[in-house]
Amino acid sequence: DTEVTQTPKHLVMGMTNKKSLKCEQHMGHRAMYWYKQKAKKPPELMFVYSYEKLSINESVPSRFSPECPNSSLLNLHLHALQPEDSALYLCASSQDRRGQGKSPLHFGNGTRLTVT
Amino acid sequence: AQTVTQSQPEMSVQEAETVTLSCTYDTSESDYYLFWYKQPPSRQMILVIRQEAYKQQNATENRFSVNFQKAAKSFSLKISDSQLGDAAMYFCAYRSANTGTASKLTFGTGTRLQVTL
Repeated sequence: DTEVTQTPKHLVMGMTNKKSLKCEQHMGHRAMYWYKQKAKKPPELMFVYSYEKLSINESVPSRFSPECPNSSLLNLHLHALQPEDSALYLCASSQDRRGQGKSPLHFGNGTRLTVT
Repeated sequence: AQTVTQSQPEMSVQEAETVTLSCTYDTSESDYYLFWYKQPPSRQMILVIRQEAYKQQNATENRFSVNFQKAAKSFSLKISDSQLGDAAMYFCAYRSANTGTASKLTFGTGTRLQVTL
């Protein structure tokens, strides 16, 4: 069983829709991440939140809007997406104490997003 | 910027045999961490093993072990007594030791491992 829970597991949306992906962890981790993974490719980092503040934005288009309401929750708001945004979206968390890279990332099962 | 290279897109191993997956990386940093993750068809990324760059001793976790060659910037994964459940995509990953904030995990392109009877 994964300790990082992502909902929904699958999402189909039109290009004019607004939807949100949700991620939750109860391990007390203070860093949370969004990754995008295309088929047969490695995950690509989108955003990093550290202590509930956005610390890394990998030049992601504004149609993706992250939100970290508290230390356990991470959302990704989607608006006006394009078909090429179809991918697996992975959420992860890590314990990280202020900059230590030692802690491994714990991943959820992902949301399979299809944009039509 | 750091880069991670996995030169074997696919590998195959017979059940109970041993297989080694290759990984090289490029960095100018002296302190960092290296990881192997596996991603089965269930999609979840699962940590297999972790190596700290300042430790000379190679990490081991049950049937999984690494050969860490810091000077050569090489980090291979050896799977002994392969099992059908080991079939998955394996990603090598790099992470800086200290960047002042939560640091990114950079992945290689992956190696798909097939396990045959």
